[in-house]
Amino acid sequence: DAGVIQSPRHEVTEMGQEVTLRCKPISGHDYLFWYRQTMMRGLELLIYFNNNVPIDDSGMPEDRFSAKMPNASFSTLKIQPSEPRDSAVYFCASSYGSYNEQFFGPGTRLTVL
Amino acid sequence: KNQVEQSPQSLIILEGKNCTLQCNYTVSPFSNLRWYKQDTGRGPVSLTIMTFSENTKSNGRYTATLDADTKQSSLHITASQLSDSASYICVVSGVNQGGKLIFGQGTELSVKP
Repeated sequence: DAGVIQSPRHEVTEMGQEVTLRCKPISGHDYLFWYRQTMMRGLELLIYFNNNVPIDDSGMPEDRFSAKMPNASFSTLKIQPSEPRDSAVYFCASSYGSYNEQFFGPGTRLTVL
Repeated sequence: KNQVEQSPQSLIILEGKNCTLQCNYTVSPFSNLRWYKQDTGRGPVSLTIMTFSENTKSNGRYTATLDADTKQSSLHITASQLSDSASYICVVSGVNQGGKLIFGQGTELSVKP
């Protein structure tokens, strides 16, 4: 398996633009997680899905953020409109079972100018 | 409030030396504790996962210990190598928290030749 795949790896956009981050989890995994990492706050859980259903989105910072998982092999995290404070590295991770090892993707480095 | 605190914040050691990283947590009730290694520009990679009933777990030159009574864990690295230079993150999961993980801020380890 190729591991968790994220795209794009880098995204530079201007304030107010819509940003869509994509994730393909490891085949067979039933949990998918979206994280954000900044120097100030470290790794933070934004939202996670179980069998394509959002379970907990309490970490989503505000209504500008939304996430979907239309099927078991694809998820998106959308920011609309983007703001400079959204600049961070966004990671997607997947696992088989909630308490088992989470495998992280390489991350998307987002810069909002 | 559930928290995970790590020390030291950063550490510099010479190649070949051993080192120990510390993690204290207040998550209760506790389910499991994980140590992740994160290389610069990459996603975190799991080193060990321990449940409350486990006292120690090894992964090559990495040995994690857990004292569930004092809510402390340590990660010992033996015979350090230049490739051990990374951020080491302690992560705790609580009971009935689904897949939600609580992350420490990490210890930045630098191994010098």
